[in-house]
Amino acid sequence: DTGVSQDPRHKITKRGQNVTFRCDPISEHNRLYWYRQTLGQGPEFLTYFQNEAQLEKSRLLSDRFSAERPKGSFSTLEIQRTEQGDSAMYLCASSHPRAGGGSYNEQFFGPGTRLTVL
Amino acid sequence: RKEVEQDPGPFNVPEGATVAFNCTYSNSASQSFFWYRQDCRKEPKLLMSVYSSGNEDGRFTAQLNRASQYISLLIRDSKLSDSATYLCVVRGSTGANNLFFGTGTRLTVIP
Repeated sequence: DTGVSQDPRHKITKRGQNVTFRCDPISEHNRLYWYRQTLGQGPEFLTYFQNEAQLEKSRLLSDRFSAERPKGSFSTLEIQRTEQGDSAMYLCASSHPRAGGGSYNEQFFGPGTRLTVL
Repeated sequence: RKEVEQDPGPFNVPEGATVAFNCTYSNSASQSFFWYRQDCRKEPKLLMSVYSSGNEDGRFTAQLNRASQYISLLIRDSKLSDSATYLCVVRGSTGANNLFFGTGTRLTVIP
């Protein structure tokens, strides 16, 4: 399967613990995105990387959240001191600029990591 | 005000019916518009882009009204396999990379 992969698929943790999620984008996709989705809502943008550079961060990304993409390939999203409100599906997506330019490049989503904070 | 507003439904329709979903967006500078489909407990997948002139893909027709900041999706001859949540999605102004999703409209096609 050459799609976006995420690990783990499910994570249950106690409030106050730190968690880290991993995303492996589609090979050669230089753009990587993190979204969060809660029940009954659409995904909400968290942050965006182009190669290893983190270019955009949502105000939803509090100081407890940090994302990295050290070599411009896989990315990690860490949540420190988890709170019950962090319980959600964390989705990763990747894209590649359309050949010849163009303003949009389709974002392909991974299966997500479902986080439950007890 | 949310970037994208959608009626969450649910829409329960019989097989073969025609169903229409609508959404509105708040940023008049938005450049790109899409419909994504999300099956239960699965990731969103691009269904179709929406162009100003309107576009059709088989049984699916998408339309955009920039003046009213309104996007629609029409599904003809509904199939059981069309049951899913349909997400209205907008990309911001030129240079923006993130997508803004509506809450999604749940469709159930009944035999």
